[in-house]
Amino acid sequence: AQSVAQPEDQVNVAEGNPLTVKCTYSVSGNPYLFWYVQYPNRGLQFLLKYITGDNLVKGSYGFEAEFNKSQTSFHLKKPSALVSDSALYFCAVRDIEGTSGTYKYIFGTGTRLKVLA
Amino acid sequence: NAGVMQNPRHLVRRRGQEARLRCSPMKGHSHVYWYRQLPEEGLKFMVYLQKENIIDESGMPKERFSAEFPKEGPSILRIQQVVRGDSAAYFCASRLAGVEYEQFFGPGTRLTVL
Repeated sequence: AQSVAQPEDQVNVAEGNPLTVKCTYSVSGNPYLFWYVQYPNRGLQFLLKYITGDNLVKGSYGFEAEFNKSQTSFHLKKPSALVSDSALYFCAVRDIEGTSGTYKYIFGTGTRLKVLA
Repeated sequence: NAGVMQNPRHLVRRRGQEARLRCSPMKGHSHVYWYRQLPEEGLKFMVYLQKENIIDESGMPKERFSAEFPKEGPSILRIQQVVRGDSAAYFCASRLAGVEYEQFFGPGTRLTVL
């Protein structure tokens, strides 16, 4: 079965500094990987996805993620953090269920990002 | 095009009562997923439905929980005889048929069991 791991419960970064939120995955076959952001008392918002193609994926709000097959990682990055980026970030992988070919999504436990002014 | 709608946004129930959570997917979306988020935890998959069919309910407790997505109307997640451990945020997501890689989330229903 597919899985994702987010090794950091919380990441603190100063405003204006680059940020990285880590995600590693375990899949059989080619991975479909996603990042979502959740603001307080809100649903999840899609940031970006990797399906195929360039290893560097650009998404919403200036975020990008780098797919690294050898390290089985899909870290989320932003060159210059904003206080408004403070939120809960989830990495996810699409799981293909057996022979039925149905899809569900496996989420990591989330990383809380705090950007300090 | 309205996004995924969930209601109610907040639901308070006493132990033993029933909770009914509704999800209206985005227009044209025929696939719906339900997730549960316990406090300070990530999202856990519960059930995946298409119109009139349950495709995968492997994440849903065998007892007290049920889900449906009728031909007309919203998807319903039903929890019978709620217990305090059911207190959580329940999120619905929908996607288009044939577009497996992107799902859109609703704002969630926060269930509190007293």
